[in-house]
Amino acid sequence: DQQVKQNSPSLSVQEGRISILNCDYTNSMFDYFLWYKKYPAEGPTFLISISSIKDKNEDGRFTVFLNKSAKHLSLHIVPSQPGDSAVYFCAASALKGNYKLTFGKGTLLTVNP
Amino acid sequence: ETGVTQTPRHLVMGMTNKKSLKCEQHLGHNAMYWYKQSAKKPLELMFVYSLEERVENNSVPSRFSPECPNSSHLFLHLHTLQPEDSALYLCASSQEGGQTQYFGPGTRLLVL
Repeated sequence: DQQVKQNSPSLSVQEGRISILNCDYTNSMFDYFLWYKKYPAEGPTFLISISSIKDKNEDGRFTVFLNKSAKHLSLHIVPSQPGDSAVYFCAASALKGNYKLTFGKGTLLTVNP
Repeated sequence: ETGVTQTPRHLVMGMTNKKSLKCEQHLGHNAMYWYKQSAKKPLELMFVYSLEERVENNSVPSRFSPECPNSSHLFLHLHTLQPEDSALYLCASSQEGGQTQYFGPGTRLLVL
């Protein structure tokens, strides 16, 4: 049973527009959420995170929104750039020190010039 | 070198071979992880070491044997693997108890 789901395997966006990547989770014990970006032939790179005590975290062009009641989070990238084209993974963990990150399958974002 | 490094980047081995994957972190972290990423599947946690002690073994077959000689180095010893073990093996590190993990580039393994 997949506890973290990214239902869109791919997303295509025009340069300069907003990219919205979605993630749903089922485990109500998750209290920390992360987004990673992965280019081909590289490992995942940490992008941004959010604790369950917040509903929004912003870092430059990247903003993560958390809706705990809906068990849903999203990553907004604005404006999107061609260099943002990559696979984006959503991950979640329960309790500080638990060590386990549960990952979604990823969404391939393509930003067209 | 900075961040998390892994060697080799690519490995082809037969089912009777023995090989080892190496991971080194230069971030001053004290927890290290092995993950497996198979095609069209989420990353799967294999092993966790915290303060050089194994704290998690996620039902991984014994043909995978981890070793953590110190907080900066992590090995994954491989023997008598199966073709279905072909995957990308990723190492990560974090502060002990930290929830943000930093990944290496991975080793692409092909078992023939």
